[in-house]
Amino acid sequence: QQQVKQSPQSLIVQKGGISIINCAYENTAFDYFPWYQQFPGKGPALLIAIRPDVSEKKEGRFTISFNKSAKQFSLHIMDSQPGDSATYFCAPGGQNFVFGPGTRLSVLP
Amino acid sequence: GAGVSQSPRYKVAKRGQDVALRCDPISGHVSLFWYQQALGQGPEFLTYFQNEAQLDKSGLPSDRFFAERPEGSVSTLKIQRTQQEDSAVYLCASSLLQFARSGTGELFFGEGSRLTVL
Repeated sequence: QQQVKQSPQSLIVQKGGISIINCAYENTAFDYFPWYQQFPGKGPALLIAIRPDVSEKKEGRFTISFNKSAKQFSLHIMDSQPGDSATYFCAPGGQNFVFGPGTRLSVLP
Repeated sequence: GAGVSQSPRYKVAKRGQDVALRCDPISGHVSLFWYQQALGQGPEFLTYFQNEAQLDKSGLPSDRFFAERPEGSVSTLKIQRTQQEDSAVYLCASSLLQFARSGTGELFFGEGSRLTVL
C-alpha cells in the first residue's frame, strides 16, 4: 500500500503569518505533486502543483517546494488569511492519486 | 454543466439496502475517479475509468461495491447490502487527461454524496 504522510495534523496561525504543511511519500514512481484545498461540505480543489523537474513553484501567496531525494514536498502559505482556513491534502500522482490524511488549518483573525 | 455533478447529495440507507450514486463528469473529460472519504480522513481511491474502460478497481473494498461508466460519460457507483462501515462521503472526480502511465493534471471534484447507513 502506498504511504503518504502529512504533518502537522492541525495548524493554527495568526492572520498575516506563514503556514507550512509537509508531505512525505514512499513511491518513487510518483511524478506529479499537487496540493488540494477542501472546505467543509465541498470536494477538494487543486491549489498548486509541481513536477519533479523543478524544486520550487510560486503562485501568489502559495509556494510549493519539492525535495526529490528526501521524497518530501511542502506547501507554504504566506500572509495567511482567515479565508485560507480549510483542510489541505497532498496527493502525489502516479497511475492514480494517493491522498494524504490532511492538515486542518485555522487562521485566526 | 460547468462542474462535476453528483447525486444524491445525501442518502440514508438501512443496513442491507442497495444504493446507487451517480456522477456527471465535466463534458469531454476522459478520466473519472471515485474516492471514499470517511469523516476527518483523506479521500481513499476506489476505482478509475478511462472513457468507458475501468482500468483500476483495486481500491474497491469488497465485491459489494461495483462501478460502471457504460458510455464513457456518466458513472454510477453501486453498493449492495450496505453495512454501517460504508458510511462516508463518496467523491467523484474527472480530468481531461488520461492517467494510464502518469498521474498528471488537475482533478475536478464534485461535492460528494454523503451516505449514512443505519
